[in-house]
Amino acid sequence: DTAVSQTPKYLVTQMGNDKSIKCEQNLGHDTMYWYKQDSKKFLKIMFSYNNKELIINETVPNRFSPKSPDKAHLNLHINSLELGDSAVYFCASSHLSRGYEQFFGPGTRLTVL
Amino acid sequence: KNEVEQSPQNLTAQEGEFITINCSYSVGISALHWLQQHPGGGIVSLFMLSSGKKKHGRLIATINIQEKHSSLHITASHPRDSAVYICAVSWESGNQFYFGTGTSLTVIP
Repeated sequence: DTAVSQTPKYLVTQMGNDKSIKCEQNLGHDTMYWYKQDSKKFLKIMFSYNNKELIINETVPNRFSPKSPDKAHLNLHINSLELGDSAVYFCASSHLSRGYEQFFGPGTRLTVL
Repeated sequence: KNEVEQSPQNLTAQEGEFITINCSYSVGISALHWLQQHPGGGIVSLFMLSSGKKKHGRLIATINIQEKHSSLHITASHPRDSAVYICAVSWESGNQFYFGTGTSLTVIP
């Protein structure tokens, strides 16, 4: 069974488009995250979210918005895509009972043309 | 300056060698994480520790809170250990993370 899943795995789109990446976890975790990994493989947290609080990394443009329909899902919506948004985006989840150990999704490779 | 520094950036070892990857950080933390990213891209958590030492198979992770330093050791390295190893630190009840730039390890048969 897949613990943290993301769709799509690959996303190729034109500049200026709006796109969404979906994330689902079946671990019963209370916190979910979005990370961006750039071309140099450097990971950076974008958002963390539990059912009480959304923490936004201050460097994330407001074109990026997380949307959580329920505790098991945290989708990433991106408006007006730019070339610099090309990266691999990872969703992850964790739970207080496990000290916030991170469980990662397989990643979504976004290419903006 | 990155809050989490890893060394070395790249490492090539012969199969069977003992490997050490180092991580230093400059912020107060609640936990330090070691992650492994295979060539296929998936990321898995190897260890999460806030003090002392943890061992899992051939992997050992240690942390010195006073010196703000952690090491990841691999004993009897094997080609399947070839991956990028990433150190990360977390605080604020798991809501904030900083990552190191990763160490790319290649183990040659």
